[in-house]
Amino acid sequence: DTEVTQTPKHLVMGMTNKKSLKCEQHMGHRAMYWYKQKAKKPPELMFVYSYEKLSINESVPSRFSPECPNSSLLNLHLHALQPEDSALYLCASSQDHWTYSGNTIYFGEGSWLTVV
Amino acid sequence: QQQVKQSPQSLIVQKGGISIINCAYENTAFDYFPWYQQFPGKGPALLIAIRPDVSEKKEGRFTISFNKSAKQFSLHIMDSQPGDSATYFCAASSEAAGNKLTFGGGTRVLVKP
Repeated sequence: DTEVTQTPKHLVMGMTNKKSLKCEQHMGHRAMYWYKQKAKKPPELMFVYSYEKLSINESVPSRFSPECPNSSLLNLHLHALQPEDSALYLCASSQDHWTYSGNTIYFGEGSWLTVV
Repeated sequence: QQQVKQSPQSLIVQKGGISIINCAYENTAFDYFPWYQQFPGKGPALLIAIRPDVSEKKEGRFTISFNKSAKQFSLHIMDSQPGDSATYFCAASSEAAGNKLTFGGGTRVLVKP
């Protein structure tokens, strides 16, 4: 079973709504990630937090706003989304981000987002 | 620019057969090559990974073959089972980019009973 927990599993929101996706891990990992995955496509990196600081933003539109309240929690705040933002949003974590390549990245099961 | 090219896009194999998925990369700085397995409705899960200092790694029915000079690596699934039906992604990362994975396009594998 995955040790990265995401809520909610499904979310339908209107283009004027504000909602949040939540992610939690208790593996002591210090790197946490948000990925976006469209149907039949690989995951695309959105954000990386390393030691609770934002270290990578892959030019994601400002209608997506990440937050890392502590080392176990990661949120993705959503506002004024577009229908094309509908996708599976995956949270992931790894022991460390910068130490070396090869830290296993553990993914959650994802939150299915539909924007109407 | 797609830095990791994966083929085929889909694959149908009979139970007990061998599934072979190939990936080619361009960035010679890549030094870690994981394969992820994703079942419908689930997140990807690490299946097996290799570094370029070895040419082959085997874990159970899953084997990675690595050809550094050709900049290619492949996943072999021996004795394929219906439970192996999933989408498989190869990926690569480099020391310079930390743990940032570059994924291949994915291969949907269907194992028929």
